[in-house]
Amino acid sequence: KAGVTQTPRYLIKTRGQQVTLSCSPISGHRSVSWYQQTPGQGLQFLFEYFSETQRNKGNFPGRFSGRQFSNSRSEMNVSTLELGDSALYLCASSDNRVTGELFFGEGSRLTVL
Amino acid sequence: DQQVKQNSPSLSVQEGRISILNCDYTNSMFDYFLWYKKYPAEGPTFLISISSIKDKNEDGRFTVFLNKSAKHLSLHIVPSQPGDSAVYFCAASGLSTGANSKLTFGKGITLSVRP
Repeated sequence: KAGVTQTPRYLIKTRGQQVTLSCSPISGHRSVSWYQQTPGQGLQFLFEYFSETQRNKGNFPGRFSGRQFSNSRSEMNVSTLELGDSALYLCASSDNRVTGELFFGEGSRLTVL
Repeated sequence: DQQVKQNSPSLSVQEGRISILNCDYTNSMFDYFLWYKKYPAEGPTFLISISSIKDKNEDGRFTVFLNKSAKHLSLHIVPSQPGDSAVYFCAASGLSTGANSKLTFGKGITLSVRP
């Protein structure tokens, strides 16, 4: 079974631009969550989508948004990029069992110049 | 406010010896705890978990201990192998709140196992 796929793997943007990252979950998984990993803060929860609805949200500004499509694929968008947005963005999918662990993709490495 | 703390940023052990990775948490609502391992250029992979109704869970060379009164958990790896060298993240969630997919992670510990 294919794992979680994230695209693009690497990208460079400049301040003020916007970026869209894509995530395809494991087949059959309906929950998709996004995390930001930075050296100083570790992994921080951005948001979670289940059946096209945002179910949980972390403490990030409104510049960070996401959505989920009917096929469970998800996108996250960051508008008006800042230097501090440079990070590894990780997508994870889950089969939503009560104790289901998360399966992570390899991440999208964003560099903001 | 860091609700999950991994106070030691790194740990180095000899191959064959025990590795003990520690984690502390502050939120009493956490009732499910997980450990993830991450190699460079890869996403984190699930290692082992424990529910708050247990104080120990074992899976091969990996054992996680939970001390609820101290809000402390630890991951023991015995025996340690060079392939265990990676960053280990402790994570917690509140199953009773329905937010089982919202994990709060620590900052990670870099484990180096010397041959």
